[in-house]
Amino acid sequence: GQNIDQPTEMTATEGAIVQINCTYQTSGFNGLFWYQQHAGEAPTFLSYNVLDGLEEKGRFSSFLSRSKGYSYLLLKELQMKDSASYLCAAMDSNYQLIWGAGTKLIIKP
Amino acid sequence: IAGITQAPTSQILAAGRRMTLRCTQDMRHNAMYWYRQDLGLGLRLIHYSNTAGTTGKGEVPDGYSVSRANTDDFPLTLASAVPSQTSVYFCASSENSGSTNEQFFGPGTRLTVL
Repeated sequence: GQNIDQPTEMTATEGAIVQINCTYQTSGFNGLFWYQQHAGEAPTFLSYNVLDGLEEKGRFSSFLSRSKGYSYLLLKELQMKDSASYLCAAMDSNYQLIWGAGTKLIIKP
Repeated sequence: IAGITQAPTSQILAAGRRMTLRCTQDMRHNAMYWYRQDLGLGLRLIHYSNTAGTTGKGEVPDGYSVSRANTDDFPLTLASAVPSQTSVYFCASSENSGSTNEQFFGPGTRLTVL
């Protein structure tokens, strides 16, 4: 079957770095997406990886290893506004997104 | 308007009633999607549309129907609501289906079925 696993909740300190991991199993693979979702709001796109390696975008970076079925989202210089849920989603061979349950990130001052 | 709008923002509904959730986008995207989001679960696809005039079933289509009469609108109908349909519903769109285009989400409709 198809499955996405990510931690339910993580806590980090303002100004620090945090890594949110995601493992996936899908029927075929057309890339890995990360979305951010603040409480009570819609998900918003953060990153897309289809090739192995690290993609950097400002304070946020995303890594993919296709052979390991593994991705992570790296957030640097954490700010209070980064408190949100982070959703990992893998795109299968039919270009459908399979979503993880999300990781709730709590930032403490 | 810019992006995707959904209506209503929230609704409390008696079981057995019929309800239509509205979704409109102004980005001229071909593909549109309806998801439900429940605590502890990932977003689950209910129905999708690759282009105006076509629709398809997602992971959890039972009890829901959709139509796509034009590019902009993609309403979701619950013919006879049940308490298990209590959820937050998100409409999304992407430029094309069958591609790796990102999906853009509407603000969501919070539905409670009693």
